[in-house]
Amino acid sequence: DVQMTQSPSSLSASVGDRVTITCRASEYIRTSLNWYQLQPGKAPKLLIYGASRLQTGVPSRFSGSGSGTDFTLTIRSLQPEDFATYYCQQSFSTPPFTFGQGTKVEI
Amino acid sequence: EVQLVESGGGLGQPGGSLRLSCAASGFSFSNYEMNWVRQAPGKGLEWVSYISFTGSTKYYADSVKGRFAISRDNAKNSLYLEMNSLRAEDTAVYYCTRRVVVPSTGNAFDVWGQGTMVTVSS
Repeated sequence: DVQMTQSPSSLSASVGDRVTITCRASEYIRTSLNWYQLQPGKAPKLLIYGASRLQTGVPSRFSGSGSGTDFTLTIRSLQPEDFATYYCQQSFSTPPFTFGQGTKVEI
Repeated sequence: EVQLVESGGGLGQPGGSLRLSCAASGFSFSNYEMNWVRQAPGKGLEWVSYISFTGSTKYYADSVKGRFAISRDNAKNSLYLEMNSLRAEDTAVYYCTRRVVVPSTGNAFDVWGQGTMVTVSS
């Protein structure tokens, strides 16, 4: 099974900061990489699919890049509502659709 | 409005059973593959199970294989998760989620329910 490793596991940032989260797959997954945002008490939210495609309705300050095994989620100019935990997920081939361990973005 | 609403969570006994349901509305349920994902307290997201459009193909995480069973009723726009031989480590919020496939781009879980809490304890 493909293993996903995110870093860092947590980070402290301020409103207006640029934030970068990385995700590495244990084997080649092309661009089959998604990013989700999870906030307490809310349903998970799809941000980026296909490594770099912005989901409809997601602010343009979110962007994704990468292919193969190394991927990045960037939040340009962090907003108060962006403080949350972010997960990468691989969707290459058949299940399991593995998630990374998460990155908590804190003030 | 596209919506998924889970139900059926609660307190389960170790070794016991629970059945989760997920009611879909606002979209053509039979046109989508579906999944269950869970989050244990203080832990990350864990994919649990997948079911194809007609229910003919199913996959499970190793942690639940042989104990959980996913099913769907397209006539009722509903997804289910039968949970047997419950363990303390099954304690989690369980989310129902829709899988969307974008040709030449990829696939992802684009719609999620609010989740239902399952607690396994004596």
